[in-house]
Amino acid sequence: DAKTTQPPSMDCAEGRAANLPCNHSTISGNEYVYWYRQIHSQGPQYIIHGLKNNETNEMASLIITEDRKSSTLILPHATLRDTAVYYCIVRVDGNYQLIWGAGTKLIIKP
Amino acid sequence: GAVVSQHPSRVICKSGTSVKIECRSLDFQATTMFWYRQFPKQSLMLMATSNEGSKATYEQGVEKDKFLINHASLTLSTLTVTSAHPEDSSFYICSAGVQGVGEQYFGPGTRLTVT
Repeated sequence: DAKTTQPPSMDCAEGRAANLPCNHSTISGNEYVYWYRQIHSQGPQYIIHGLKNNETNEMASLIITEDRKSSTLILPHATLRDTAVYYCIVRVDGNYQLIWGAGTKLIIKP
Repeated sequence: GAVVSQHPSRVICKSGTSVKIECRSLDFQATTMFWYRQFPKQSLMLMATSNEGSKATYEQGVEKDKFLINHASLTLSTLTVTSAHPEDSSFYICSAGVQGVGEQYFGPGTRLTVT
């Protein structure tokens, strides 16, 4: 079973920041938080990952709470092309295993 | 870098026939490749893990004689769906990884429709 829980769906207006929450209350000390997204009928795309510090790259920012029991993926200026299912996954770094939950379907509206 | 391709992207076959899907790592050598299946509105389900030159490890409930996996080189893995039936219609996704790095790089997927 997936070790994360996410809301099934969210809407966001184009140009606004999209904030996607994820709960991972049973996360272990050596587990990272990874985010992927899957645009309809495509393979998953890596977005970002982190251990305990906040991370930012060209696609998104990842905010992890101090107790590491939850995190938020932030798409700072959402576009229509960001409409996708977003998956939050916890995994041990270096371990291939990815357990996919249901994810959050993010719909960006014009 | 880390590009994975799949071929074909879409295939329609008749019930009872076999179909082969190729997964290639284009700019790196993949020690491990993974095959996933995804039904409509569902998440990805891992079918099997294959290491170059050895037999694939199948997940529980996946028939190894029906879904034949060959990982003959560090850049190519194939999935053959034998005697396909309509219930095998699905979106098949492969990913490739490099030993020690632990990342998976995903292909674009193959849509299989069995009529």
